[in-house]
Amino acid sequence: GAGVSQSPSNKVTEKGKDVELRCDPISGHTALYWYRQSLGQGLEFLIYFQGNSAPDKSGLPSDRFSAERTGGSVSTLTIQRTQQEDSAVYLCASSAMGTSTDTQYFGPGTRLTVL
Amino acid sequence: DAKTTQPNSMESNEEEPVHLPCNHSTISGTDYIHWYRQLPSQGPEYVIHGLTSNVNNRMASLAIAEDRKSSTLILHRATLRDAAVYYCIPQGAGNNRKLIWGLGTSLAVNP
Repeated sequence: GAGVSQSPSNKVTEKGKDVELRCDPISGHTALYWYRQSLGQGLEFLIYFQGNSAPDKSGLPSDRFSAERTGGSVSTLTIQRTQQEDSAVYLCASSAMGTSTDTQYFGPGTRLTVL
Repeated sequence: DAKTTQPNSMESNEEEPVHLPCNHSTISGTDYIHWYRQLPSQGPEYVIHGLTSNVNNRMASLAIAEDRKSSTLILHRATLRDAAVYYCIPQGAGNNRKLIWGLGTSLAVNP
């Protein structure tokens, strides 16, 4: 079946604009993660959704960042009033159940550039 | 949150074995040790995971220390396609989901 998809693949925006990044997880996966990766850095956890539970938002860097997951499937990460330091690759991953043995399947990422 | 320590970079020759170490001395007793790798310009991909016993799959082997404070990913015969950044991640379940990804080990494979 299809893997995790993300759109757009690239996004260039001006400082101060809002952006929305989309993630389509693997069908049936209950767990969904957002990460960001700055150039030459490791992955930085942002937010985690598991089924109908309240999401773990502990990694969101500021209140300009928010995410939602509709119907337990598609997720949207929104960044308001973008800043240059928001420039990074935003990666989405999904896993079947969010257990300790789960494999995370990653999308190709969205490269965000804030001018 | 469990923290990991890996060498920044390693180098290998094609067709030779590679041993990639990871220290995770603060790992919780119920955390599994997962390894992922990230090829250039791609999202990470799963390699292998284990809890206490050594594990083998078609991609690699995972050797876990008896005290679980360290593990070693073994690529038996490195190929050029194995050049990537390798991450070890202690992974729990439930509320323990703030996964900490370090900088990983950048593996270069020489022809």
